[in-house]
Amino acid sequence: DTGVSQNPRHKITKRGQNVTFRCDPISEHNRLYWYRQTLGQGPEFLTYFQNEAQLEKSRLLSDRFSAERPKGSFSTLEIQRTEQGDSAMYLCASSIRAANTEAFFGQGTRLTVV
Amino acid sequence: QKEVEQDPGPLSVPEGAIVSLNCTYSNSAFQYFMWYRQYSRKGPELLMYTYSSGNKEDGRFTAQVDKSSKYISLFIRDSQPSDSATYLCAMSPQGAQKLVFGQGTRLTINP
Repeated sequence: DTGVSQNPRHKITKRGQNVTFRCDPISEHNRLYWYRQTLGQGPEFLTYFQNEAQLEKSRLLSDRFSAERPKGSFSTLEIQRTEQGDSAMYLCASSIRAANTEAFFGQGTRLTVV
Repeated sequence: QKEVEQDPGPLSVPEGAIVSLNCTYSNSAFQYFMWYRQYSRKGPELLMYTYSSGNKEDGRFTAQVDKSSKYISLFIRDSQPSDSATYLCAMSPQGAQKLVFGQGTRLTINP
């Protein structure tokens, strides 16, 4: 499978716990994005990497959220001290340098905070 | 007011009908326009990608962009039950990295 891969697909956690999601982009894509999608809404931008550099962060990305892309390949998104409002689908997308807005999405990680 | 407005539907049409999906936007800097299809509990799948104004056709799908009216459309001809999904419009300015999405329109094609 050569698409964007996200793990886990589903995560249920208790409020206050920390969670970490992983995204493996399409291999030749140097740009990687994280979005959040709540029920009945379109995805909202969280953050963007070009190679290993995190170049843009949304106001939605509070201090409890941190994202990394240590070697410019896979990325992780960590949420500390989860809250019920963090329940959402977390989507990862990637694109190649020459077509920066033609982004391809993974299947997402669905987070439920109980 | 949201930057991108999209009627959430739901929209239900019979098989074989022509479907018209639309978005309006307020940011005149938007230059790239995309349509994504999203099946339930799946990630968005890129359908069409258009730069600036004009039309683009791909099989049964046609995307139109009218920048003067800040209005984009997706037409689906000979609609099939397998087209039943949520359709998301997305757009971004030149040089920007993030996409701004509409709310999505939930479409059902009835056999």
